[in-house]
Amino acid sequence: DIVMTQSPGSLAVSLGERATITCRSSQNILLTSKNKNFLSWYQQKPGQSPKLLIYWASIREVGVPDRFSGSGSGTDFTLTINSLQPEDVAVYYCQQYYDNPPTFGPGTKVDVK
Amino acid sequence: EVHLLESGGGSVKPGGSLRLSCAASGFKFADAWMNWVRQAPGKGLEWIGRIKSNVDDGTTLYAAPVTGRFSISRDDSKNILYLEMNNLHIGDTGVYYCAAGVSTWPSWGQGTRVTVSS
Repeated sequence: DIVMTQSPGSLAVSLGERATITCRSSQNILLTSKNKNFLSWYQQKPGQSPKLLIYWASIREVGVPDRFSGSGSGTDFTLTINSLQPEDVAVYYCQQYYDNPPTFGPGTKVDVK
Repeated sequence: EVHLLESGGGSVKPGGSLRLSCAASGFKFADAWMNWVRQAPGKGLEWIGRIKSNVDDGTTLYAAPVTGRFSISRDDSKNILYLEMNNLHIGDTGVYYCAAGVSTWPSWGQGTRVTVSS
């Protein structure tokens, strides 16, 4: 199975500041023939089900604010939240869908400092 | 609007069985690949299995920890997804979500809680 790791495990950011989460896969998840990275990011707020934020590593899902952006390729990826808002307090998970089984990272908890 | 509603969770003893359901509306369920994802208390997300649409052969795939114990099925006439869980272990405790999508899952239910305890 492809193992996904995330860092940090948690972080606290002041409102209006930037939060950066990194995700690493144990093997390449870039399909070079399609130039696509099989990587998604999900947000899970307390007591709620997960919400898809980003897919193909950098494509925002419809309705997701543009302060959320994804980048990276191959094995190293980043989720950036520009200008953190109170409603962004959540756990963020990366997930690969390059190979079965799909696997998630352990999550990064984002809080307001 | 896409809506997924899980039901059937509850408390069961180790070795017991449960059947979860996921009622779908707001999209063409018959064309959708459907997944089950669980979350142990205070832990992260774990994909446990999926079923393709019958148009795409309707086959199932399971994560290793549940292979041979869990079974996913679907009733396209009722727009319902099922998860049959047998020989439940304490480690199967958690919230079970259904999610629609092939590789990425833009639609999730609110989850149903399963507790396995003696």
